[in-house]
Amino acid sequence: DTEVTQTPKHLVMGMTNKKSLKCEQHMGHRAMYWYKQKAKKPPELMFVYSYEKLSINESVPSRFSPECPNSSLLNLHLHALQPEDSALYLCASSQDQGNTIYFGEGSWLTVV
Amino acid sequence: EDQVTQSPEALRLQEGESSSLNCSYTVSGLRGLFWYRQDPGKGPEFLFTLYSAGEEKEKERLKATLTKKESFLHITAPKPEDSATYLCAVMDSSYKLIFGSGTRLLVRP
Repeated sequence: DTEVTQTPKHLVMGMTNKKSLKCEQHMGHRAMYWYKQKAKKPPELMFVYSYEKLSINESVPSRFSPECPNSSLLNLHLHALQPEDSALYLCASSQDQGNTIYFGEGSWLTVV
Repeated sequence: EDQVTQSPEALRLQEGESSSLNCSYTVSGLRGLFWYRQDPGKGPEFLFTLYSAGEEKEKERLKATLTKKESFLHITAPKPEDSATYLCAVMDSSYKLIFGSGTRLLVRP
C-alpha cells in the first residue's frame, strides 16, 4: 500500500468550476510532486516542492495552482480547466530531491 | 537531450516463460535509474533504484541490472499477476525524473 494518500479518487468538474486535489504523506519526506498522466502515456512532471517551497514549475498553465501548506500536505487548485486537462493526476514524495520518488494512487479528473 | 527508450512496447508471455525488458537512456549526469510497475488506473509502484553500472537488485521474480547505457528488467517464471506496465525512469542532474513510454506486459495462464 502506498503511503501517499490522494483525495478525491475521482472528480468530475465543469469548465467554470473551482476544485482542489489533495495529497498527504506521513513519511517525513521533504520533497513533494505533482504529475499528470494521460492514457497510455508516462507521467509528466508539473510541479516540485522542496522544503515547502516551489522549486520547479514545468511551465504549467496558471489554471493549475499548487499549494504546500506544510511538509505533509500538497494541494492542487483547479480553475477554468479545459476538457483536454482530463487525466490522472499523481502526487508523489521523496526524502529529498534526488531520492526515490513514491507515488500515490492518483486522482482521476474529468472536465466536462 | 535526455532521453529514455523502452522496448518492447508490449510483450505477451506464457506463465513460466522468462524474458527481459530493455531501457536504454542518454542523460547528462545520471543520478539514478528507477523501475516502477503500474497497474491500470493506479499510480506507479516503486520497484528498484540503481545508481551505478554493474549494480543489480532482485525482488521475487524480478531482477534489475544497469550498464552505462541501458538497464534490463529480467522476469523469471512470470505469473499472471505480473501483468502490468513497467516504467523505467532516469533522474538527471537537475533531479528531474524522465520516464520512458513503458512496456505493457501480459502474462497468460
